[in-house]
Amino acid sequence: QKEVEQDPGPLSVPEGAIVSLNCTYSNSAFQYFMWYRQYSRKGPELLMYTYSSGNKEDGRFTAQVDKSSKYISLFIRDSQPSDSATYLCGVRGSQGNLIFGKGTKLSVKP
Amino acid sequence: GAVVSQHPSWVICKSGTSVKIECRSLDFQATTMFWYRQFPKQSLMLMATSNEGSKATYEQGVEKDKFLINHASLTLSTLTVTSAHPEDSSFYICSAGTVGFNEKLFFGSGTQLSVL
Repeated sequence: QKEVEQDPGPLSVPEGAIVSLNCTYSNSAFQYFMWYRQYSRKGPELLMYTYSSGNKEDGRFTAQVDKSSKYISLFIRDSQPSDSATYLCGVRGSQGNLIFGKGTKLSVKP
Repeated sequence: GAVVSQHPSWVICKSGTSVKIECRSLDFQATTMFWYRQFPKQSLMLMATSNEGSKATYEQGVEKDKFLINHASLTLSTLTVTSAHPEDSSFYICSAGTVGFNEKLFFGSGTQLSVL
């Protein structure tokens, strides 16, 4: 089993829709969880950062972590065409490195 | 957020030559830097972890003699791809953070390497 599993999509939604992106992870020791957005041929950009379980909201973005089920989610409200990108979930490994999911490619149609 | 500068953003080289990629943390001191490689439509794969002033730790399957990493200061790490071959063509990305104090990692803009 991979340490972080993420459905690669692609996911296509109409503008204004609520988007739900999800990942599961295998190691219950992970404590730090991140969501990155990556545009084509660019470095990932940190979107959301969560420590342990709970919710975190930032504008149209909400990150959720459920450590009991090892499940992390990112919700995007009122999605915009500019949100079209690949979204990577990541967990912080014991060595400090980031372990990424495969990334979900999102397309928001006008 | 913190700024990590990566240079160059694009490099084309001939097979057999060496290429150096620089990663700088501009507004913080990075005790740890990570180098990733990303093939088209794939996720980022960790190549190595470098700590300032010590030898890099390479992931399984990554040749340390081919991918030379130097982290001589708290703001600069370099990755040198030695004797590059076409199969080394990929998108290389660095990330930096201050482990323990700030658990966030920030990424450079990436370097697209094309080996002819």
